[in-house]
Amino acid sequence: QQPVQSPQAVILREGEDAVINCSSSKALYSVHWYRQKHGEAPVFLMILLKGGEQKGHEKISASFNEKKQQSSLYLTASQLSYSGTYFCGTASTGFQKLVFGTGTRLLVSP
Amino acid sequence: DGGITQSPKYLFRKEGQNVTLSCEQNLNHDAMYWYRQDPGQGLRLIYYSQIVNDFQKGDIAEGYSVSREKKESFPLTVTSAQKNPTAFYLCASSIGESNQPQHFGDGTRLSIL
Repeated sequence: QQPVQSPQAVILREGEDAVINCSSSKALYSVHWYRQKHGEAPVFLMILLKGGEQKGHEKISASFNEKKQQSSLYLTASQLSYSGTYFCGTASTGFQKLVFGTGTRLLVSP
Repeated sequence: DGGITQSPKYLFRKEGQNVTLSCEQNLNHDAMYWYRQDPGQGLRLIYYSQIVNDFQKGDIAEGYSVSREKKESFPLTVTSAQKNPTAFYLCASSIGESNQPQHFGDGTRLSIL
């Protein structure tokens, strides 16, 4: 079943912070976060693993609550380049068959 | 430079016609994936392959077919049985384990004439 992302859209001014949430109804092994700009390929941001290991971006942080099957992506001091659609992808096993959420559209204005 | 190449960038299909989308990677990845993206929607998995000569259906495989004869290549055929093929198609590859990222190609936009 597809994970649910919230909010669906958010508008920020440059320098403001944002939190994007991803919630699944299934037990999760890992959560992946990607950003996609219009008409382009998704770009990898972060992986969070069961047990607390994280891999990813220096300027973006995230959390993974295994018990609640939820993950949150924290964007601090947003830049214009942060604009795009953010997707979480969830995996329930050690193999990487991801189920993606419907996305959160983020617009950062000057 | 290593990466994933999808071609063509734009493709038009006539009614009743099969079309094939190309996906090639030189990252030496074992796993490859095909996703479909509709406007304002997330990515939905069509087919995936964990290893050469093996592939499995994803969530929306009806009307599509794939092959994996070489590690580098994972072409997707959109058959005439797919009644609503207009979408943005993305190919990805990865080492396969859940602690590694997927790398995406630039996509193919398919439209119906």
